[in-house]
Amino acid sequence: DTAVSQTPKYLVTQMGNDKSIKCEQNLGHDTMYWYKQDSKKFLKIMFSYNNKELIINETVPNRFSPKSPDKAHLNLHINSLELGDSAVYFCASSLYSGRDSYNEQFFGPGTRLTVL
Amino acid sequence: SQQGEEDPQALSIQEGENATMNCSYKTSINNLQWYRQNSGRGLVHLILIRSNEREKHSGRLRVTLDTSKKSSSLLITASRAADTASYFCVPINYGQNFVFGPGTRLSVLP
Repeated sequence: DTAVSQTPKYLVTQMGNDKSIKCEQNLGHDTMYWYKQDSKKFLKIMFSYNNKELIINETVPNRFSPKSPDKAHLNLHINSLELGDSAVYFCASSLYSGRDSYNEQFFGPGTRLTVL
Repeated sequence: SQQGEEDPQALSIQEGENATMNCSYKTSINNLQWYRQNSGRGLVHLILIRSNEREKHSGRLRVTLDTSKKSSSLLITASRAADTASYFCVPINYGQNFVFGPGTRLSVLP
């Protein structure tokens, strides 16, 4: 029944490691997003994919690489993890109606990443 | 992209009371959305109001939009402890990213 799911829920790792977070949605949406929420609770968009194609790529280090194998999945791979990467990462999805409309986004439960 | 500025930053009320949160933005919009985030959880979409609408209701929620003042308000009536959360407004311009502001932290006390 879960609409947008993320795994893992918690991720604790050492600096310098490479890790992945997975996201899946069963809503039939064609657009998926990754957001980062820092310790001050500010939520910032990182990436957006529409039908497996990148449409938004905010200024994030190229250590972050999204991968969309199909329109129901958007995974986030992070290389050479740094202390500053510690945050909660949220996946979201929405219907894309073109440039003339923005529909509501449905969020996953989040992945709390802690880099030691 | 523009972000909404929610006001107040924090609000504490007693259960059963009404809660009003305000949102201001800077430039014209196509629609405005309100989201809720319970502690430690993802955001949940509450309501979307289009730029040609002035008021919208959903259950205990009432949203207004005044495009001349570039402001919106969210009213939660008969609040419950479960309404304790952070609330975010997102002004939407087509072709631009969603940008979330700091939100209003609402505490509903039993």
